[in-house]
Amino acid sequence: QSALTQPPSASGSPGQSVTISCTGTSDDVGSFNYVSWYQQIPGTAPKLMIYEVTKRPSGVPDRFSGSKSGNTASLTVSGLQAEDEADYYCNSYAGRNNLVFGGGTKLTVL
Amino acid sequence: QMHLVESGGGVVQPGTSLRLSCAASGFTFDNYGMHWVRQAPGKGLEWVAVIWHDGSNKYYADSVKGRFTTSRDNSKKILFLQLNSLRAEDTAVYYCARDPGEGIWNGFSHWGQGTLVTVSS
Repeated sequence: QSALTQPPSASGSPGQSVTISCTGTSDDVGSFNYVSWYQQIPGTAPKLMIYEVTKRPSGVPDRFSGSKSGNTASLTVSGLQAEDEADYYCNSYAGRNNLVFGGGTKLTVL
Repeated sequence: QMHLVESGGGVVQPGTSLRLSCAASGFTFDNYGMHWVRQAPGKGLEWVAVIWHDGSNKYYADSVKGRFTTSRDNSKKILFLQLNSLRAEDTAVYYCARDPGEGIWNGFSHWGQGTLVTVSS
């Protein structure tokens, strides 16, 4: 199963909005609403930010939002803050009892 | 407060075995499916395995199928990952993670701190 495709890097200034894409296929992102996003600060465990494409767990700021169109899911961070600088990973159910991650995107707050 | 604590990592030689544990607390363990996810040094995340809340179903990534086995002891609230025939490419931090309670394939809501497995001769 191939990994989902994410841009290796993204950046924005404080207060701006940044969108990170996650491109899969009709076998994974395009077929299921089981898309989730994770924030990982180097040296620490990942943290769930979005699940089921658009749902935000308790405690995650509403500056984080998710969406999906066709085979591509997206994570948008609005009102960028310095603390948002981290690596972000998408994940999708890929059918046949399999889950697949994206390669990760390093978000830099300028 | 929910906690997941992995243990059992270490340095092992290729071809040998290792058993990882994940001790759970702060939630009703036998209500949730559990996953293993790994991350090679400097690399991205890779899903490894899942086990149903009652242990009735287990599925694995192709990269570990036939070599790794996951199991759980609900009475002790412990999740296990048996790693056999280890290869250099299995070197990674191994995380246990819980499903969010809204579908076992719906991501990973809580994570442990990870345990490092290094396979080297």
